[in-house]
Amino acid sequence: QKEVEQDPGPLSVPEGAIVSLNCTYSNSAFQYFMWYRQYSRKGPELLMYTYSSGNKEDGRFTAQVDKSSKYISLFIRDSQPSDSATYLCAMSYAGGTSYGKLTFGQGTILTVHP
Amino acid sequence: DAGVIQSPRHEVTEMGQEVTLRCKPISGHDYLFWYRQTMMRGLELLIYFNNNVPIDDSGMPEDRFSAKMPNASFSTLKIQPSEPRDSAVYFCASSLAFGQGPQPQHFGDGTRLSIL
Repeated sequence: QKEVEQDPGPLSVPEGAIVSLNCTYSNSAFQYFMWYRQYSRKGPELLMYTYSSGNKEDGRFTAQVDKSSKYISLFIRDSQPSDSATYLCAMSYAGGTSYGKLTFGQGTILTVHP
Repeated sequence: DAGVIQSPRHEVTEMGQEVTLRCKPISGHDYLFWYRQTMMRGLELLIYFNNNVPIDDSGMPEDRFSAKMPNASFSTLKIQPSEPRDSAVYFCASSLAFGQGPQPQHFGDGTRLSIL
């Protein structure tokens, strides 16, 4: 079993829809949670960064972390065609020899059509 | 500011040849990471450096892979000899020193490697 599981999709939604992207993980030692966005033929870029449980909002994007369920989500409101990309969740430990290493999910391919 | 710069952007070579991928991190960044991305396995960390010193190379698949960072502004990932299963997109990323938590990693646009 992979440490981080993410449904690869693909996910196709109409413009203006609310998008929900999710990851589950098995290791409770993960403390830092991130979402990266990757456009075609580009490197991933950081979208959201949260520590431990809770919500974080940035414009149309909301990240949620539920450590009790080992489940993280990214919500995109009023989705736009420019949001079409692959979304990768990533996690990191809080300390130890693996501090700073990111473990990525498989990525979910999202297409927002006009 | 210039981002992480990788070269070449594309590389096509025959099995058995030596391949060298290059990376220039963002100036002032303390950490450098090498990743490999495939459809089957996703994005995998191969090795990372802190202040030019390799910290963790547990993700390097085999002895055919080696990485160096001779100075703060340059790193190489070498595959010798290359095999078709090494075909993937290889990313380099860099970040500032960790404070209270890991710092965001800034990725280059990758090298698309095809081994025939």
